Amino acid sequence: GENVEQHPSTLSVQEGDSAVIKCTYSDSASNYFPWYKQELGKRPQLIIDIRSNVGEKKDQRIAVTLNKTAKHFSLHITETQPEDSAVYFCASSSGNTGKLIFGQGTTLQVKP
Amino acid sequence: GAGVSQTPSNKVTEKGKYVELRCDPISGHTALYWYRQSLGQGPEFLIYFQGTGAADDSGLPNDRFFAVRPEGSVSTLKIQRTERGDSAVYLCASSPKAGVGNNEQFFGPGTRLTVL
Repeated sequence: GENVEQHPSTLSVQEGDSAVIKCTYSDSASNYFPWYKQELGKRPQLIIDIRSNVGEKKDQRIAVTLNKTAKHFSLHITETQPEDSAVYFCASSSGNTGKLIFGQGTTLQVKP
Repeated sequence: GAGVSQTPSNKVTEKGKYVELRCDPISGHTALYWYRQSLGQGPEFLIYFQGTGAADDSGLPNDRFFAVRPEGSVSTLKIQRTERGDSAVYLCASSPKAGVGNNEQFFGPGTRLTVL
């Protein structure tokens, strides 16, 4: 069935460093790839998304890249800040339902 | 404007009891999704509504789970004969419409269900 693998499960960086989270999806029909940030006890919040007709998208300190051939997509956060500390989830969707298949999550800790 | 809301925020019940969880989507959003999130895991898809009909219920784990959206707005997730393994946070999300070009989903705060 559809599956999304996410790595690493935990990531610790120093403030100001970059952080990279990687995901691999199994369904070649996937065409939408959002990234969500979830703080403890809070709802998931969309931070950036990319569609299958685009290879890269950037929004200030956050960027996402997509390699459709390899079925990989990655989240890049530059100049990390302590407030970036949270759990990050990648997801993919395909078809007409829009249902999201989520990765297992990455706990990012940014140390001041 | 108002986001997705869910009630109750917390529900504690005993094994074997029946529970109902409510979701109020963003006004005008026709697509509504239910997900379940266990501790330390990503959300898992349960069911999707487009308007009033359940267009995809492939994620419901068994026939104890059922959901309705009778007027195409508010949705209720119903769980019969609850089991301890049903304990999780149940998340609702809505989207202007499903399909290509408009997939962003806005999540509610979730209902934390605990089955004792």
